[in-house]
Amino acid sequence: ILNVEQSPQSLHVQEGDSTNFTCSFPSSNFYALHWYRWETAKSPEALFVMTLNGDEKKKGRISATLNTKEGYSYLYIKGSQPEDSATYLCALGVTSGTYKYIFGTGTRLKVLA
Amino acid sequence: GAVVSQHPSRVICKSGTSVKIECRSLDFQATTMFWYRQFPKKSLMLMATSNEGSKATYEQGVEKDKFLINHASLTLSTLTVTSAHPEDSSFYICSARQPDNYGYTFGSGTRLTVV
Repeated sequence: ILNVEQSPQSLHVQEGDSTNFTCSFPSSNFYALHWYRWETAKSPEALFVMTLNGDEKKKGRISATLNTKEGYSYLYIKGSQPEDSATYLCALGVTSGTYKYIFGTGTRLKVLA
Repeated sequence: GAVVSQHPSRVICKSGTSVKIECRSLDFQATTMFWYRQFPKKSLMLMATSNEGSKATYEQGVEKDKFLINHASLTLSTLTVTSAHPEDSSFYICSARQPDNYGYTFGSGTRLTVV
């Protein structure tokens, strides 16, 4: 059974602080790694999809890196703002018949004003 | 961008009744949709893959007679929780694969409470 782990489970930071969290996954069966941002009562919003070892993606103040050999991805938020408060999910994309996601449990971020 | 509409967002039902949850792709055709369930403080667990015009593929341990999935058109998949029991109370969310890439668009989820 493939297991995707995220840490920390939750996190409180002050407005303006930079922060990062981790997604760990088994490197076998890897096809892609997806990051989503999920605000309460809304749909998860796609942030990044990464496929290549060493990939780095950036969207505004949020960036992500990928290491497929050691099986981890980092998500960074620079200068956190209250509107960044959300749960950040990573999902391992695997191909086994059909393309599927295996989700981590998420990191719940709260940015304090 | 691609939008998936899911409803209801919340439903409370009595034990023994059935509940239907709908998931619609609004501006694209979704040949494949996915249904997930989330228990408190747990990750989204894939329940089944819904394929337009054919039977759904269920993950191990998911009762197909309990969770009926219908994907009769390219824009609509439904999940029916039959003879619901309190242990079926959970958060259910769908996603649809976008046609041109591996991106998935999610619905906003349904909170089911069985009393």
